[in-house]
Amino acid sequence: EDQVTQSPEALRLQEGESSSLNCSYTVSGLRGLFWYRQDPGKGPEFLFTLYSAGEEKEKERLKATLTKKESFLHITAPKPEDSATYLCAVRYNDMRFGAGTRLTVKP
Amino acid sequence: DAGVIQSPRHEVTEMGQEVTLRCKPISGHDYLFWYRQTMMRGLELLIYFNNNVPIDDSGMPEDRFSAKMPNASFSTLKIQPSEPRDSAVYFCASSPWTGRSSGANVLTFGAGSRLTVL
Repeated sequence: EDQVTQSPEALRLQEGESSSLNCSYTVSGLRGLFWYRQDPGKGPEFLFTLYSAGEEKEKERLKATLTKKESFLHITAPKPEDSATYLCAVRYNDMRFGAGTRLTVKP
Repeated sequence: DAGVIQSPRHEVTEMGQEVTLRCKPISGHDYLFWYRQTMMRGLELLIYFNNNVPIDDSGMPEDRFSAKMPNASFSTLKIQPSEPRDSAVYFCASSPWTGRSSGANVLTFGAGSRLTVL
C-alpha cells in the first residue's frame, strides 16, 4: 500500500534556528510530490511541487528537495510567522497526504 | 476566480440527522476531491471525481456516506444518518491536470466545512 510518512510530528524552533522536515514515501509511478502549508482553521495552501529526484525549489526561507525515496523541507532562519502545519503529499492519480509536521517558531 | 467554495462553514447537528456538504470547484478544473481531516487520522481522501465521474470511492467510510457531482460546477457529500464519530473538518479541493511536469497539477482547497455531530 502506498505510504507517506512525515517526521517529526512536531518541531519547536527559536527564531533564526534552521532545521529540516522529512517526508518519506513508497509510491509507485509517482506523479509529483507536493508540500502544503496549513494554518489553523484554514485549508492547506500550496507551496511546492517536485517531480524528479535531484529537483529543488525555493521560496523565501523555504527550500524543498527530492530524492527517490524522500523529500526534505529546509527552513532557513525561520520567523514566528512560519509557524504552521506543513503537509507532504504524493500524487499518482489521486493525492495522498502525510500526517504533517506542526512547526512552532518562538521569538 | 473566487477559489473553491464550500458550504456550510460550520454545521452542528444531532446524531441520526442527514448532513449535506456542498462544493463549487474552480471553473475549468477536471478533478474534484473530498477529504476529511481529524486530529487522529489527519487528511483522509474520501472520494475523487474526474470530469464529474467518480473514479475512486474506496476511502468512503461506509454506506452512510455518498457523494455526487451532477455537473462540473457542483458537488455534494451526504452523510445519512450522521454519527458523532463523523465529526471532523471536510475539505473539498479541485485540480486541473495538464501533464506530469506541469506545475498546474496542484490541488486548491476550500476553507472546509466543520461538522459537529452531537
